[in-house]
Amino acid sequence: SQKIEQNSEALNIQEGKTATLTCNYTNYSPAYLQWYRQDPGRGPVFLLLIRENEKEKRKERLKVTFDTTLKQSLFHITASQPADSATYLCALSNTNAGKSTFGDGTTLTVKP
Amino acid sequence: GAVVSQHPSRVICKSGTSVKIECRSLDFQATTMFWYRQFPKQSLMLMATSNEGSKATYEQGVEKDKFLINHASLTLSTLTVTSAHPEDSSFYICSAQPGGQYNSPLHFGNGTRLTVT
Repeated sequence: SQKIEQNSEALNIQEGKTATLTCNYTNYSPAYLQWYRQDPGRGPVFLLLIRENEKEKRKERLKVTFDTTLKQSLFHITASQPADSATYLCALSNTNAGKSTFGDGTTLTVKP
Repeated sequence: GAVVSQHPSRVICKSGTSVKIECRSLDFQATTMFWYRQFPKQSLMLMATSNEGSKATYEQGVEKDKFLINHASLTLSTLTVTSAHPEDSSFYICSAQPGGQYNSPLHFGNGTRLTVT
């Protein structure tokens, strides 16, 4: 069965450092991989989408890589800030980005 | 742009009653909306896909008679939890996808915290 694993449940880093979150998957051939941010008691907010034929995508301090051979995506936040503290979800889909399967998320805490 | 509004944000109801949750796309048309359930520290579990003008598609294990979905217009989908029980208490979230754009990301509402007493 399809399985998505996000590295650790929680990640603590110091302000200014780069946060790296991992999303691994098995028994899946996704066409799209997305990253979302979710704050407590709120709905997820879209951050980045990367397609299977793309290796890397950037948006401001965010960078996503997608390795279909390793079946892994890395999500980087450079120059992290306390405001980046949240839960980050990866989501995979094949034909329709809307019918995505979500990972359990990694809760990032950036300490000042 | 791409704002999805979900109401109510919180609701407490007595066991046996029904609760309706609304999901509206405010500035775009959504032929497809999705309903999820999320337990604490767990991810979103897709419950059903709501299609404008047709019946919803439910995921395996989700009772369609328990969770009624209506997608009457291109901007509104509703989820009704019928005969609610304490085990239905959860965080329910909707998302919408701009019409016909299957490779576009999802836009989420801010969720509804349902507590059944």
